[in-house]
Amino acid sequence: EAGVTQFPSHSVIEKGQTVTLRCDPISGHDNLYWYRRVMGKEIKFLLHFVKESKQDESGMPNNRFLAERTGGTYSTLKVQPAELEDSGVYFCASSPGLAGEAEQFFGPGTRLTVL
Amino acid sequence: AQKITQTQPGMFVQEKEAVTLDCTYDTSDPSYGLFWYKQPSSGEMIFLIYQGSYDQQNATEGRYSLNFQKARKSANLVISASQLGDSAMYFCAMRERLSNAGKSTFGDGTTLTVKP
Repeated sequence: EAGVTQFPSHSVIEKGQTVTLRCDPISGHDNLYWYRRVMGKEIKFLLHFVKESKQDESGMPNNRFLAERTGGTYSTLKVQPAELEDSGVYFCASSPGLAGEAEQFFGPGTRLTVL
Repeated sequence: AQKITQTQPGMFVQEKEAVTLDCTYDTSDPSYGLFWYKQPSSGEMIFLIYQGSYDQQNATEGRYSLNFQKARKSANLVISASQLGDSAMYFCAMRERLSNAGKSTFGDGTTLTVKP
């Protein structure tokens, strides 16, 4: 069974441009999470989807970030316009349940560099 | 207050020896899960081990074991017989059942270097 996949693996853009990151969760996983690690700091939660609905977007840094999950399948995270401080690694994770014992399966991450 | 604390930014261990990576946590949720992940230089997050708050025994997965001390709110990772391939960043994380809808909270990470 395929794991969580993310595209692209790397993205280098200039300040002010737009970038869209994509995450394909494990098939059948209703829960999809976005996290990011910027400037070598801790990994921080961005938002959580349950199927196509945003369950919690309290970690979204500002309105330059827009996440969608079409039909409850794959998810996209758009940054528009990108700023220098958005550089970092963006992780997507999925899980079949919400309970604390349910493992979250992480994707390989997208490394975003904003110049 | 930070929910997950990893006090060791970097650790060194000699190959074939054991090493303990520290993790303390803070939660008022009676039910939670504690996880350790490995992040090699390639960047992916690799799940290592899980400990549930109600588990009576410490979790073990091959060379990984979790020293769970609930009263002290600590969940240290023990890696036995270190290998060169263990060199990576290690993250401790927590998921709470009743609050935070299952999202993970991570520590700052510990960089482990295994010396030959």
